[in-house]
Amino acid sequence: KAGVTQTPRYLIKTRGQQVTLSCSPISGHRSVSWYQQTPGQGLQFLFEYFSETQRNKGNFPGRFSGRQFSNSRSEMNVSTLELGDSALYLCASSRSTDTQYFGPGTRLTVL
Amino acid sequence: GNSVTQMEGPVTLSEEAFLTINCTYTATGYPSLFWYVQYPGEGLQLLLKATKADDKGSNKGFEATYRKETTSFHLEKGSVQVSDSAVYFCALSSAGGTSYGKLTFGQGTILTVHP
Repeated sequence: KAGVTQTPRYLIKTRGQQVTLSCSPISGHRSVSWYQQTPGQGLQFLFEYFSETQRNKGNFPGRFSGRQFSNSRSEMNVSTLELGDSALYLCASSRSTDTQYFGPGTRLTVL
Repeated sequence: GNSVTQMEGPVTLSEEAFLTINCTYTATGYPSLFWYVQYPGEGLQLLLKATKADDKGSNKGFEATYRKETTSFHLEKGSVQVSDSAVYFCALSSAGGTSYGKLTFGQGTILTVHP
């Protein structure tokens, strides 16, 4: 069974731009969670989607948003990029509320 | 709220040494507990898990036991290899409410194993 895939793997943007990251979950998994990983803050939860509905949201500004499609694929969007948004963005999928399986991540660099 | 505390790193060991990485947690109810491993340039891989008190998770020679009385989930391996060099994360999840789809992670412990 194929694992979680994320595209693109690397992105370079400049301040003020916006970016969209994509995540394809494991087949049959309906829950997708997103995390931001930085050296200073570690792994922080952004939000979780299940069956196209956001069920939970972390403590991030409104510039961070997401959505999920009927095939369970998910996207996250960051508008008006700031230097501090440079991070590894990880998505994880699960069937519902159990074990999460992670993708390889998207490395975002904001210049 | 939920929180996870891991032992300070980095940890440096010689090959075949015994490994312990301490992890303690604070959570309401009965969380599930996990250890994930991250190799350079990669995402997180599930190493092992335990879903109730006294459960022992094990995989690839690594073990951890869910101790509710001490709120701990320490990771152990009897004989480490150079290939075990990575960052190890302890994490927990709770059921329902504001915990849907949310893992709470410790700060990570960098392990380096020398030949």
